[in-house]
Amino acid sequence: DAGVIQSPRHEVTEMGQEVTLRCKPISGHDYLFWYRQTMMRGLELLIYFNNNVPIDDSGMPEDRFSAKMPNASFSTLKIQPSEPRDSAVYFCASRKTGQGRAEAFFGQGTRLTVV
Amino acid sequence: DAKTTQPNSMESNEEEPVHLPCNHSTISGTDYIHWYRQLPSQGPEYVIHGLTSNVNNRMASLAIAEDRKSSTLILHRATLRDAAVYYCILLISSNTGKLIFGQGTTLQVKP
Repeated sequence: DAGVIQSPRHEVTEMGQEVTLRCKPISGHDYLFWYRQTMMRGLELLIYFNNNVPIDDSGMPEDRFSAKMPNASFSTLKIQPSEPRDSAVYFCASRKTGQGRAEAFFGQGTRLTVV
Repeated sequence: DAKTTQPNSMESNEEEPVHLPCNHSTISGTDYIHWYRQLPSQGPEYVIHGLTSNVNNRMASLAIAEDRKSSTLILHRATLRDAAVYYCILLISSNTGKLIFGQGTTLQVKP
């Protein structure tokens, strides 16, 4: 397996534009997580899914952020409209049910810059 | 979410063992202790996890205190490639397995 695949790796956009980040989890994994990392706030959990259903979105900063998982092999994180403070590295991770025993695998991240 | 406490930074010399401590005094009986690390410009990667007993794998060893209120990640021979941020995380048994990252310990390895 190629691991968790995120696209694009880098995104530069202008304030006010819509941004869509994409993630392909590892096949067979039933949990998918979206994280955001900044120097100031570290790694923050935004939202996670189990079997394509959002379980906890309490980390989503505001209504400009939305995430979907239409099937087991694809998820998107959308920001509309984007703002400069959204600039960060966004990571997607997946894991398989196993409660405390299962490790999570992270993608390489998408570095988003909003100018 | 259960909290872990780690030193902000540590230094080690290459080829020497490194002991990275973590305190988790609010741990409950079914919570797993996970360690991840993040190399520069990469996503976090799993290192090791345990519940009650000490654990060894090809990357590291995990020593868990008898009362489980603390643990230590042991890198037996640090290399320059081990320079990273190391995160100690409790996988709370009751919340379906979400990983909440703290600030971690930044490990510097000197040649």
